[in-house]
Amino acid sequence: EVQLVQSGAEVKKPGESLKISCKGSGYSFTNNWIGWVRQMPGKGLEWMGIINPGDSDTRYSPSFQGQVTISADKSISTAYLQWSSLKASDSAIYYCVRRQYLAFDFWGQGTLVTVSS
Amino acid sequence: QTVVTQEPSFSVSPGGTVTLTCGLSSGSVSTSNYPSWYQQTPGQAPRTLIYSTSTRSSGVPDRFSGSILGNKAALTITGAQADDESDYYCVLYMGRGISVFGGGTKLTVL
Repeated sequence: EVQLVQSGAEVKKPGESLKISCKGSGYSFTNNWIGWVRQMPGKGLEWMGIINPGDSDTRYSPSFQGQVTISADKSISTAYLQWSSLKASDSAIYYCVRRQYLAFDFWGQGTLVTVSS
Repeated sequence: QTVVTQEPSFSVSPGGTVTLTCGLSSGSVSTSNYPSWYQQTPGQAPRTLIYSTSTRSSGVPDRFSGSILGNKAALTITGAQADDESDYYCVLYMGRGISVFGGGTKLTVL
């Protein structure tokens, strides 16, 4: 069974750094790109970027380029989303997704990130 | 920057048929955008309904169908049920690994 299991909720202060994770199982992790999707409170879904775990080729939405870093460690079937300096506006639920046929066929359960002083 | 457009809200009667659309602020949607559709209920992760324009994801009832209508992608729900009341999002593939979500449509069944 394909699963994407994300790390738990985080509460951080503005300016702090953060790295959240997404562990894939039930399939060959390097066969599919893994993406990240943001959902701010009460708002829609936003595509942030995507990584090929096989070679770490990464693509970003222009809206998120330079704001976050997507990485992956294929040896442990895990993708990451990180911030170097969080802002209050980064408060959101973040989902990882598996890409298949240029769509997203499996979703992680979501990681709630709260940034507040 | 490319904007993917969806109706903000739609209403359908139980048992009725509704078609939600997904367009581009500039240009037409085609099968080369590999349109996909997702359903999200409050507090839940999204669920994949349709990919590659019209292929239903595993376990999705056949009352959900996808197509290209004119210059937009479309999601049609036939025989709407109360538990279809959800937010629906489309995604278009824009090339070079980039995908874009539409703003979502809030569907009410009443």
